[in-house]
Amino acid sequence: AQSVAQPEDQVNVAEGNPLTVKCTYSVSGNPYLFWYVQYPNRGLQFLLKYITGDNLVKGSYGFEAEFNKSQTSFHLKKPSALVSDSALYFCAVRDGRNAGNMLTFGGGTRLMVKP
Amino acid sequence: EPEVTQTPSHQVTQMGQEVILRCVPISNHLYFYWYRQILGQKVEFLVSFYNNEISEKSEIFDDQFSVERPDGSNFTLKIRSTKLEDSAMYFCASSGGPNPGNTIYFGEGSWLTVV
Repeated sequence: AQSVAQPEDQVNVAEGNPLTVKCTYSVSGNPYLFWYVQYPNRGLQFLLKYITGDNLVKGSYGFEAEFNKSQTSFHLKKPSALVSDSALYFCAVRDGRNAGNMLTFGGGTRLMVKP
Repeated sequence: EPEVTQTPSHQVTQMGQEVILRCVPISNHLYFYWYRQILGQKVEFLVSFYNNEISEKSEIFDDQFSVERPDGSNFTLKIRSTKLEDSAMYFCASSGGPNPGNTIYFGEGSWLTVV
């Protein structure tokens, strides 16, 4: 079975400061990892993904994420937060051995960026 | 940019009534999905659909639920006899192929309120 944990319900950061949103995962096969963002009353918007290769992946809006196999983590980062980054962030995983390619989501982390 | 579109954006229905949620996946995509998000909870997988048949479904997707691709563009989720606990945001999604590294793109969602 595959699972994702986002240990923080909420992360507060001041505008201009770096931000990190944590994610750990568990899969049997190779992990395929994704981050999505959800703005209020909106759908899930794809940010970035890790498939293979470089452990640091870059995505939309200046976000990046670092894959760490030994720690089974895929933390989302941004060097300088904007107030407009305030939203709900979801980490998700797919197991490379799962024929149906189901995405399993974490519980989400609310990011609050204060001016 | 191509997107997944869903209708209606919000529907209120009485308990026991049938509901059909409609989706138009991205045009060249082959895999289709329904997920749901109960208010304040995590995003949950319901069903995946490929080549005109269900490829995977979760425990949530019981006999009350069905999916159909009635023509070349639409993908529908039917709930036969709605219950109060079916109240949730329902997301349609699609991806281009079977590779687990393929990104799944989500629609804006359909809010279902069962009263």
